[in-house]
Amino acid sequence: DTEVTQTPKHLVMGMTNKKSLKCEQHMGHRAMYWYKQKAKKPPELMFVYSYEKLSINESVPSRFSPECPNSSLLNLHLHALQPEDSALYLCASSQGVSGRGYEQYFGPGTRLTVT
Amino acid sequence: GQNIDQPTEMTATEGAIVQINCTYQTSGFNGLFWYQQHAGEAPTFLSYNVLDGLEEKGRFSSFLSRSKGYSYLLLKELQMKDSASYLCAVRDSDTGRRALTFGSGTRLQVQP
Repeated sequence: DTEVTQTPKHLVMGMTNKKSLKCEQHMGHRAMYWYKQKAKKPPELMFVYSYEKLSINESVPSRFSPECPNSSLLNLHLHALQPEDSALYLCASSQGVSGRGYEQYFGPGTRLTVT
Repeated sequence: GQNIDQPTEMTATEGAIVQINCTYQTSGFNGLFWYQQHAGEAPTFLSYNVLDGLEEKGRFSSFLSRSKGYSYLLLKELQMKDSASYLCAVRDSDTGRRALTFGSGTRLQVQP
């Protein structure tokens, strides 16, 4: 099983709403990632969790709040977003964060629209 | 910091061979990855290089020269389904940061 699942697939939210994106993997991977991807742009790293601890925060605004409840789950809590936050949010996982062959497997993404 | 360059677009003919180049400048290097991304879908892993040389996987091969900061992805026997964006990504080892930084991607259009 090399699947990373994400829910929901699509999300429309207002600027005052609070919502959460969910990501799950059952490959025993110990590193999980959130990326943001705008149209026709490459994925941009937001957060990295390694062994359930936040190891990288790429200066992401506090209106995005990640959470890793256990080694299989990764959430991204959203609050008071701006229209420019509309994008595809990708979750990925890998066995670790370094070493040979630690490729990242991506989920299908959540397409977020902020109105 | 990192700087990754790839051509923006390429066009090739079904059945042909195409080479997509990637140059990078990093303060630390811990591997280079190639991903394929179809429009509206997630990136899928194609190949990984950390040592100099060629890695072959079926119709896809990837080459790395660390001294030149250069990699290429070679696609043989092109098929229409190979029309996609190809992303070069570098993992750096600076100060414990081992996440991927992606290039802007190369949009490949395969024509009949």
